[in-house]
Amino acid sequence: DIVMTQTPLSSPVTLGQPASISCKSSQSLVHSDGNTYLSWLQQRPGQPPRLLIYKISNRISGVPDRFSGSGAGTDFTLKISRVEGEDVGVYYCMQATQFPYSFGQGTKLEIE
Amino acid sequence: EVQLLESGGGLVQPGGSLRLSCAASGFIFSNHAMNWVRQAPGRGLEWVSGIFNSGGSTFYADSVKGRFTISRDNSKNTLYLQMNSLRAEDTALYYCARRQGDYWGQGTLVTVSS
Repeated sequence: DIVMTQTPLSSPVTLGQPASISCKSSQSLVHSDGNTYLSWLQQRPGQPPRLLIYKISNRISGVPDRFSGSGAGTDFTLKISRVEGEDVGVYYCMQATQFPYSFGQGTKLEIE
Repeated sequence: EVQLLESGGGLVQPGGSLRLSCAASGFIFSNHAMNWVRQAPGRGLEWVSGIFNSGGSTFYADSVKGRFTISRDNSKNTLYLQMNSLRAEDTALYYCARRQGDYWGQGTLVTVSS
């Protein structure tokens, strides 16, 4: 099974400053079809998760362009260029390359 | 508009059973794989089970294998999760999610306690 490891687990950030979350997988997430099924989800307090980015770097419609994803193979990063108040919540990476699907532990983004 | 509406949660004693449902609308249900994901109180997300669009292939987390069964009725646009031999550690908010998580329901709470 693929283990997803996120760092940091908590990220205090000043409004307007950047934030970065790392996600590492225990094995390559490149699927036999050539795609890499690594997604980033946001979960605001009291809400279900919301998909932000899929296949490493593709933003879902309506997601602000201050969110960006990058990486390859086993190392991936979510960056927020300028954190806003509405970005508070927990961020998860998720792999859907291989069953069982798996999530990172979650990174709690807090405003300092 | 895509909507996923879970139901069937509740309080059940250890060893008991529950059947969760997820009613889908706003898209062609039979074209999409579906998943169940759970979140224990104050904890992170845990993938539970998945099923291909035809229902021909199903997948389970080791933690529920042999106890939970995922199924779907494409004629009713509904996803199911039959949960047997429930344990305290199955207590969680259960979400259904389309494909690799592009849409999620609001969740249904399952509490296993005597």
